[in-house]
Amino acid sequence: SQKIEQNSEALNIQEGKTATLTCNYTNYSPAYLQWYRQDPGRGPVFLLLIRENEKEKRKERLKVTFDTTLKQSLFHITASQPADSATYLCALGGGNKLVFGAGTILRVKS
Amino acid sequence: DTAVSQTPKYLVTQMGNDKSIKCEQNLGHDTMYWYKQDSKKFLKIMFSYNNKELIINETVPNRFSPKSPDKAHLNLHINSLELGDSAVYFCASSQDTGVDYNEQFFGPGTRLTVL
Repeated sequence: SQKIEQNSEALNIQEGKTATLTCNYTNYSPAYLQWYRQDPGRGPVFLLLIRENEKEKRKERLKVTFDTTLKQSLFHITASQPADSATYLCALGGGNKLVFGAGTILRVKS
Repeated sequence: DTAVSQTPKYLVTQMGNDKSIKCEQNLGHDTMYWYKQDSKKFLKIMFSYNNKELIINETVPNRFSPKSPDKAHLNLHINSLELGDSAVYFCASSQDTGVDYNEQFFGPGTRLTVL
């Protein structure tokens, strides 16, 4: 069955450092992958999309990579700030449907 | 302006009751969704409607019935509520123009607690 794994433990980093979050998947060939941010008590907010034929996408301090051979996506936040603290969800897409991972909690300390 | 709104924000009810959650989007999107987020934070698709037509219906008990009176509204009615239905329910919408990779816009969620 399809499985999406994100770091189950929270990622704690110091302000100014680069945060790297991992999304691994098995038994799935997604056409695209999306990353969302979710704050406590709120709905997810879209951040970035990367298609299966793309290796890397950037948006301001965010960068996402997509390796369909390794079945892995990495999500980077450079020059992290305390305001970046949230849960980050990866979602695999195809066939008009998104399948979400459980998310990784990121805590950026000042 | 709220893009995707849901009511109520919180819903506490007894087992066996019937309840509804309403969702409205003012983005002019063609597709709307219902998701369930359980205590382990997994966000799972339940239903998807495109222009009032059901296009995704995951393995959801038939006690759950979505209704789309128009493409800006997708309501969720739940019959005979059970303890396991306790979760946060999110409505979402996306603009479909013949492609399926559009970003989804989520509502604030409805926290349902069944006692």
